[in-house]
Amino acid sequence: GQNIDQPTEMTATEGAIVQINCTYQTSGFNGLFWYQQHAGEAPTFLSYNVLDGLEEKGRFSSFLSRSKGYSYLLLKELQMKDSASYLCAVSPPFSGGYNKLIFGAGTRLAVHP
Amino acid sequence: EAEVAQSPRYKITEKSQAVAFWCDPISGHATLYWYRQILGQGPELLVQFQDESVVDDSQLPKDRFSAERLKGVDSTLKIQPAELGDSAMYLCASSPPSGTASYEQYFGPGTRLTVT
Repeated sequence: GQNIDQPTEMTATEGAIVQINCTYQTSGFNGLFWYQQHAGEAPTFLSYNVLDGLEEKGRFSSFLSRSKGYSYLLLKELQMKDSASYLCAVSPPFSGGYNKLIFGAGTRLAVHP
Repeated sequence: EAEVAQSPRYKITEKSQAVAFWCDPISGHATLYWYRQILGQGPELLVQFQDESVVDDSQLPKDRFSAERLKGVDSTLKIQPAELGDSAMYLCASSPPSGTASYEQYFGPGTRLTVT
């Protein structure tokens, strides 16, 4: 099975950098995703890591260590609009060629002036 | 930009009543997912379709929940009878065919269900 852990809440200051950690324990692994979800809205895709290392996309970067079962999402130059929940999700090995996601509970990030 | 459509956006129903949700995925997306998200938790997969076939419904409470995607396009999720614990956001997502960038799932706006 899969067990995904991430902090429940974090706070940060506008303009700063914040790192949201995610650890997972899975019986198999086919990739790790980060989604952003504003209150009352649908999740939107941020990043995908399948190999070890850092993936950078603008102000957001995501890191993966498969051997440690660890990932983090790094948000730079924080803006007020970054206040949202950040969901870590693991894709277990393909089953018949079909992809699925198992989500963590999410980390609520509050950015204050 | 193409989007996943869901309706209704909000639904209030009394326990023991039947309720249905509709989802229209992005055109050409063969895989469709229904998730349930309880407040303060991450989405939980209920059922996954590949075209019109169910490929994973292991977490679907089959005594009261049903899902169909008859023509392999839009889909309906039904609850009968609804229980208080079913109050949640029901999210639909779709992803492109395998062989393309099929790892990304695109979510609809969700249906917020309140059971009283």
